[in-house]
Amino acid sequence: EPEVTQTPSHQVTQMGQEVILRCVPISNHLYFYWYRQILGQKVEFLVSFYNNEISEKSEIFDDQFSVERPDGSNFTLKIRSTKLEDSAMYFCASRKGTSGFNEQFFGPGTRLTVL
Amino acid sequence: EDQVTQSPEALRLQEGESSSLNCSYTVSGLRGLFWYRQDPGKGPEFLFTLYSAGEEKEKERLKATLTKKESFLHITAPKPEDSATYLCAVAYYGGATNKLIFGTGTLLAVQP
Repeated sequence: EPEVTQTPSHQVTQMGQEVILRCVPISNHLYFYWYRQILGQKVEFLVSFYNNEISEKSEIFDDQFSVERPDGSNFTLKIRSTKLEDSAMYFCASRKGTSGFNEQFFGPGTRLTVL
Repeated sequence: EDQVTQSPEALRLQEGESSSLNCSYTVSGLRGLFWYRQDPGKGPEFLFTLYSAGEEKEKERLKATLTKKESFLHITAPKPEDSATYLCAVAYYGGATNKLIFGTGTLLAVQP
């Protein structure tokens, strides 16, 4: 069964450093998302991406964040200058979107620890 | 403000003891309500989608129902392997790309 994959599973970085989180969405899906979950809190929407551009972003997704689909399979989230409060689990999700409205499938997540 | 509230926050059941989890929502124009299961340190695993009031979906020991204001996840004769956090999320008309708004989840522990 196709699934969303994410790398790395755990990333440790120093405050102020840049990180890139990588995702491979399900191959025939058209909509891609990033969410984050701070420990003990709810899953929060960051950004959605469709047709090679950002469709919607939350207030959390400020100028320090960017997303890219560099090729036909990868979808990346870049944080330019990490802060302590960026420590969280980051989940990538994808949705088929070809007929009607359908569910999002999530990857296993990347745990980001900013020291 | 659009909100999703889940109750209880935590639930402990004995194996075989059936119960229900609640998800109440206040969004304008519900487009879909989703139930996910999340194991510790893992990503949400899709369970069900409900689109309109009166709809029901079943999968093994789980059954999800939807009204105009809330959804229930019924767990019949649970087993220890059903222990997880159950997340409710909604998408609404008016959002550009059907982002999900999540509740805080119900942590279910099933004891043998």
